[in-house]
Amino acid sequence: GDSVTQMEGPVTLSEEAFLTINCTYTATGYPSLFWYVQYPGEGLQLLLKATKADDKGSNKGFEATYRKETTSFHLEKGSVQVSDSAVYFCALITNRDDKIIFGKGTRLHILP
Amino acid sequence: GAGVSQSPRYKVAKRGQDVALRCDPISGHVSLFWYQQALGQGPEFLTYFQNEAQLDKSGLPSDRFFAERPEGSVSTLKIQRTQQEDSAVYLCASSSLAGGEDTQYFGPGTRLTVL
Repeated sequence: GDSVTQMEGPVTLSEEAFLTINCTYTATGYPSLFWYVQYPGEGLQLLLKATKADDKGSNKGFEATYRKETTSFHLEKGSVQVSDSAVYFCALITNRDDKIIFGKGTRLHILP
Repeated sequence: GAGVSQSPRYKVAKRGQDVALRCDPISGHVSLFWYQQALGQGPEFLTYFQNEAQLDKSGLPSDRFFAERPEGSVSTLKIQRTQQEDSAVYLCASSSLAGGEDTQYFGPGTRLTVL
């Protein structure tokens, strides 16, 4: 079945460090890919998305590129801030379905 | 506010009790989704409504789980005879269009603890 695998956390970085959170997926057809973020005490928010191969989603300095050949959608940010501390979820939705399939989440902790 | 709201935010139930969780979607949103998020895990799909019609309930874990959206707006997720394994955060999401590919907006969730 369709699934998402992302790197386990927690990930701890110093402020201004480069961030990569790996995400790979398994899906039949051509899924849309997402990164959601959950800040402490808040609900899930869509961070960015890409709907077809080679698309790049970007928001708030974060980027992820839809790589069909490697079935990946890695999240990157060039310089993280303390305020980026949160749990990040990679997710997909297929064009034959209505539900989002989430990875297990990666907790990110940024030290000042 | 303009977002998805859920109530209660926290619920503690004794094993065997029935609970009802409420979701108020964004006004005018056609699609409504329920997800279950166990501790340390990603959300897992429970059920999907398009207006008042429940089009997909494949994720409901047992017949103790029941959801409704009678007027196509507010939705209630009911769990009968709660068990400890039902302890989780229950998330509601809505989107403006039919189907799942439109952006889903999530509520803050209801944290259910079954003792």
